Amino acid sequence: SQTIHQWPATLVQPVGSPLSLECTVEGTSNPNLYWYRQAAGRGLQLLFYSVGIGQISSEVPQNLSASRPQDRQFILSSKKLLLSDSGFYLCAWSVSIGANVLTFGAGSRLTVL
Amino acid sequence: KNEVEQSPQNLTAQEGEFITINCSYSVGISALHWLQQHPGGGIVSLFMLSSGKKKHGRLIATINIQEKHSSLHITASHPRDSAVYICAVIRASGGGADGLTFGKGTHLIIQP
Repeated sequence: SQTIHQWPATLVQPVGSPLSLECTVEGTSNPNLYWYRQAAGRGLQLLFYSVGIGQISSEVPQNLSASRPQDRQFILSSKKLLLSDSGFYLCAWSVSIGANVLTFGAGSRLTVL
Repeated sequence: KNEVEQSPQNLTAQEGEFITINCSYSVGISALHWLQQHPGGGIVSLFMLSSGKKKHGRLIATINIQEKHSSLHITASHPRDSAVYICAVIRASGGGADGLTFGKGTHLIIQP
């Protein structure tokens, strides 16, 4: 069966520090991968998606970047965190883009101080 | 105005009560998800429906495409039902890569 792992679960970082959140999927090949942010009082916002290794699309302009160095690995990064980057970040995967059925990771709570 | 509106935003009820969470949307959709986000943050899919009604255990989801409205009901509510319930619509056209537009969620607390 397919599983999705996301880490770290919680992270407290100072403003200006770098960020790396990692997500891996097991039990499937060539998944479509997504990074979402859930800010307080707001719905889930799609940040990045990837249809394959090295292929990243950004949905919204922001201070963050994403990379997919391996088929089942998706990384969310920042070189210098801003206070506004605080939030809950969720990785998800689907069989195909627009498949509309997503499986989510457990999430990573980032607090920037 | 948000394209997907949920009500109420927060709901506190006593164990055993019948719970209703509403979702209204303003775009054309092909289907709608109800998701449950546990206190720890993980999200699981409860239902995906495009018409009528679906039932799973104590959970019932209904949708009226003409009225652009869906409801999630919980019968004989229990403290373990405490979670954030999120409505997400699958847009018929013009959606992002994930094809989904999310509501802000309803925070449900069931007190023993």
